[in-house]
Amino acid sequence: EAQVTQNPRYLITVTGKKLTVTCSQNMNHEYMSWYRQDPGLGLRQIYYSMNVEVTDKGDVPEGYKVSRKEKRNFPLILESPSPNQTSLYFCASKNDRAVGYTFGSGTRLTVV
Amino acid sequence: DAKTTQPPSMDCAEGRAANLPCNHSTISGNEYVYWYRQIHSQGPQYIIHGLKNNETNEMASLIITEDRKSSTLILPHATLRDTAVYYCIACYNFGNEKLTFGTGTRLTIIP
Repeated sequence: EAQVTQNPRYLITVTGKKLTVTCSQNMNHEYMSWYRQDPGLGLRQIYYSMNVEVTDKGDVPEGYKVSRKEKRNFPLILESPSPNQTSLYFCASKNDRAVGYTFGSGTRLTVV
Repeated sequence: DAKTTQPPSMDCAEGRAANLPCNHSTISGNEYVYWYRQIHSQGPQYIIHGLKNNETNEMASLIITEDRKSSTLILPHATLRDTAVYYCIACYNFGNEKLTFGTGTRLTIIP
């Protein structure tokens, strides 16, 4: 089944403890993105990648890092999480032939 | 990307057609109109998109006005599973286009 898989689905962590949210797609898509969703603010793009080793900032990149060493994986790294990064995170992927983005099921992160 | 405006909420009776409007009066000639929906807190799901012609797929129909300043998403026979937040997005169709989500329309299907 074609899908975008995020892990974990839920995560509670403490301020300053580095964490990684993984994202993997099995559709050989070139384009991958990370979004965060907050009440009243909608979904906002954090980072995106156009292909392996090509990444760029979205609208809200502060406090996040990404890497794209393989085409299928696009992990989101929080080096020193803070409570304002408590949010619902979505990974999405697409290629030129796809008619729309495929989103993962989401990761609900709580930083205390 | 052009800004879109949608009503915050709508109700529709089960089995009836749900018509969701979207205003995009500043859309440029090369921007497409995309529709996504989000059921509860699941990942957004692509529904349909179009440039200037009306479009139909297995999920919905998209009607774009001739001046392209507004559009309507039509779910022909709404079911309870169509209850979701629907997002109208105007963006270029480069392949790696960034989606700028607004607050969308919360559609509630009433039994």
